[in-house]
Amino acid sequence: KNEVEQSPQNLTAQEGEFITINCSYSVGISALHWLQQHPGGGIVSLFMLSSGKKKHGRLIATINIQEKHSSLHITASHPRDSAVYICAVTPNTGTASKLTFGTGTRLQVTL
Amino acid sequence: DSGVTQTPKHLITATGQRVTLRCSPRSGDLSVYWYQQSLDQGLQFLIQYYNGEERAKGNILERFSAQQFPDLHSELNLSSLELGDSALYFCASSVGPLGETQYFGPGTRLLVL
Repeated sequence: KNEVEQSPQNLTAQEGEFITINCSYSVGISALHWLQQHPGGGIVSLFMLSSGKKKHGRLIATINIQEKHSSLHITASHPRDSAVYICAVTPNTGTASKLTFGTGTRLQVTL
Repeated sequence: DSGVTQTPKHLITATGQRVTLRCSPRSGDLSVYWYQQSLDQGLQFLIQYYNGEERAKGNILERFSAQQFPDLHSELNLSSLELGDSALYFCASSVGPLGETQYFGPGTRLLVL
């Protein structure tokens, strides 16, 4: 079993829909990251969370440390949101920031 | 643009060869990370350097080595290349050694023939 699990693996939505991507992890962490990878391959860091909730534009990320679970929400989705969304955690080793990645959720938003 | 630069963007080479990938971190960032993304393994952490010193090691093969220079740029050396080493290699940087947001470079796409 992977230390970081994401669901769903693939997601197709129509423009304007509310989207939720889930991430569960099995290790103690110091932080959880949501990354976006566009079809060209580039990776952008969207959020880094250690508790609570963060919002940036139409994107909202939440984390529940007790349940070892995080969600990424996209409101009013748009075709330009089409990308792979990757959850990653920094295990709580205390000495370094090695990220452990989920397998990603491929999102396609259609008109 | 994340401020992290990687060269080259693409690299095609043959099995058994050696290549060097280069990364320049964002101005002011002291940590550099190397990641490998292959079709079958996904994204994997290889190694982290902080201010010139190795900080953490992940799934890095013995044929691979890295270093961070005094000017903070980093190089990843891949030797005795195999077909399975074909992948996207990303470098990322952050300010400190622990848990900060990491900024990713555009990646180097390596194809081993």
